[in-house]
Amino acid sequence: NAGVTQTPKFQVLKTGQSMTLQCAQDMNHNSMYWYRQDPGMGLRLIYYSASEGTTDKGEVPNGYNVSRLNKREFSLRLESAAPSQTSVYFCASSEGTVKGYTFGSGTRLTVV
Amino acid sequence: KQEVTQIPAALSVPEGENLVLNCSFTDSAIYNLQWFRQDPGKGLTSLLLIQSSQREQTSGRLNASLDKSSGRSTLYIAASQPGDSATYLCAPPPTGNTPLVFGKGTRLSVIA
Repeated sequence: NAGVTQTPKFQVLKTGQSMTLQCAQDMNHNSMYWYRQDPGMGLRLIYYSASEGTTDKGEVPNGYNVSRLNKREFSLRLESAAPSQTSVYFCASSEGTVKGYTFGSGTRLTVV
Repeated sequence: KQEVTQIPAALSVPEGENLVLNCSFTDSAIYNLQWFRQDPGKGLTSLLLIQSSQREQTSGRLNASLDKSSGRSTLYIAASQPGDSATYLCAPPPTGNTPLVFGKGTRLSVIA
């Protein structure tokens, strides 16, 4: 089925470890996004890529880096994980930033 | 900065009731507004996308309206069912070509 695929679905990290969250879409969308969702805080934008070759910071970019590898793939990297980064991470894509969004099923990350 | 408020935060209704979920936003110069549904532990599913030139959109028992001048959108659910139990999120983009901003959602419980 067409859509947004995120890997892994679950991950536990120790403080200071690094990891990369992977996201791929097969809808030929131009724009891709990373959000985090925390209880009581709603969804907050970490980074986005309006088109292949560009990336921009969102509301909460500190502690994260991103790579738009090609039109299909947009990865999120935690260089040195902290307990404050325990969250559910969602990747999304759209034809453009003013078009409808499609979300992946999320990655539940716990940093201990 | 776009700010989104959803009222009520939580709602519990008996099966069969018609109900209205409210969304207000501070920056009315938007291109569109999207309503999503999120089931516990799952990703977001797009329900309706209203373009700025439209006043409402309908899908089955769902009807969403948009009043840009007052900065409001409502999601009307007719003849509610237990399967409608979920969190409903509205998301207008900020002005310009920038990503969606989310409200904290309304958590709906439909009791059989």
